[in-house]
Amino acid sequence: EIVLTQSPGTLSLSPGERATLSCRASQSVSSSYLAWYQQKPGQAPRLLIYDASSRAIGIPDRFSGSGSGTDFTLTISRLEPEDFAVYYCQQYGSSPLTFGGGTKVEI
Amino acid sequence: QVQVVQSGAEVKKPGASVKVSCKASGYIFTNFGISWVRQAPGQGLEWMGWISPYNGNTNYAQKFQGRVTMTTDTSTSTAYMELRSLRSDDTAVYYCARDSSSLGPKWFDPWGQGTLVTVSS
Repeated sequence: EIVLTQSPGTLSLSPGERATLSCRASQSVSSSYLAWYQQKPGQAPRLLIYDASSRAIGIPDRFSGSGSGTDFTLTISRLEPEDFAVYYCQQYGSSPLTFGGGTKVEI
Repeated sequence: QVQVVQSGAEVKKPGASVKVSCKASGYIFTNFGISWVRQAPGQGLEWMGWISPYNGNTNYAQKFQGRVTMTTDTSTSTAYMELRSLRSDDTAVYYCARDSSSLGPKWFDPWGQGTLVTVSS
């Protein structure tokens, strides 16, 4: 199975700053089949990005995804107060589908 | 609007079974798959498996093979996940989510609100 390693584990930033989150796969993710989700405490995850770089409907353009092969990045260009949350990457290039361990973005 | 709504919290004893439901609305149920994901307290996300409401095809994570059954009822646009032989480490919030594909599991949007399953003697 493909193991996804997210870094850093925690990112301490201020509103208005840029956040760069990394997701590294143990083997190549076929067709850039990688998604990113945001989860706030007590809530279900929310889809942000799919196919590595396509924004989901209703997601602000300050969120962007990039990468291919084994290295993927989620960038939040200017953090808003509501962006402080945990972010997970997920690959769907091969079964079983797997998630990274998450990156917490905190103030 | 597109949504999936899950059944309420459950408390089960070790060795028992639990069946969680997930009712979809706002879209054509058979055009998309349903995936199930769980999250143990304070932990990350774990994919359990996927089902196609169109033809009933399933794809289970090997970890749950033999212990999980996913089904759908197209007459009510409802998906079900049954997990048997429960252990304490099955205590988790179980999520269903609409899968982007009816051909195989991909990405998930939207997610249900989650169902807390507590396994305790």
